[in-house]
Amino acid sequence: SAVISQKPSRDICQRGTSLTIQCQVDSQVTMMFWYRQQPGQSLTLIATANQGSEATYESGFVIDKFPISRPNLTFSTLTVSNMSPEDSSIYLCSALGRGDTDTQYFGPGTRLTVL
Amino acid sequence: GENVEQHPSTLSVQEGDSAVIKCTYSDSASNYFPWYKQELGKRPQLIIDIRSNVGEKKDQRIAVTLNKTAKHFSLHITETQPEDSAVYFCAASILQGQGAQKLVFGQGTRLTINP
Repeated sequence: SAVISQKPSRDICQRGTSLTIQCQVDSQVTMMFWYRQQPGQSLTLIATANQGSEATYESGFVIDKFPISRPNLTFSTLTVSNMSPEDSSIYLCSALGRGDTDTQYFGPGTRLTVL
Repeated sequence: GENVEQHPSTLSVQEGDSAVIKCTYSDSASNYFPWYKQELGKRPQLIIDIRSNVGEKKDQRIAVTLNKTAKHFSLHITETQPEDSAVYFCAASILQGQGAQKLVFGQGTRLTINP
């Protein structure tokens, strides 16, 4: 399995500002993903973070609002831009386990509150 | 589009009894079906998964069954214990471009085990 860490674990931000969340995996992985989980809800895929190319965004999510970087096979960042209270949520990154083509392991999440 | 329906949304059982959670999916090309357990404030943890080439898989008190024809799969927990109380999510794989797969999650089931 892959061990995944995220920073920060939580933050409280003012509307109109931006926050960058970091995700670090302990081994090289092919696929990394970013999810949003609103309180009491399921996991919604924001985008697939592609190494060396632009992220693949799901319907309803755009690069200007959620820019993603993936400079190498163990690290990715998600930025939540121009935040509003509706962006308050938990943001989770995940990665496929090494040598695994299917199984996703999740980071601990970043709890974001926008005032 | 791709869709995963999960039922029930809440489930309460007596300790020692069995619990069953059911999911249906829409994409006939889905071939990987994981189940995650999420305790309050924690990350989703993979508890069992099944691939489309088998109909049933068991791991101690947990089992998953898959009916590809009907496009539904179920999680069975026997001899339930208080520590089984959590939110459970099913998911189904969806093929993206270049052979990559993403997951679509069900809405979640809040399972409560009553002592």
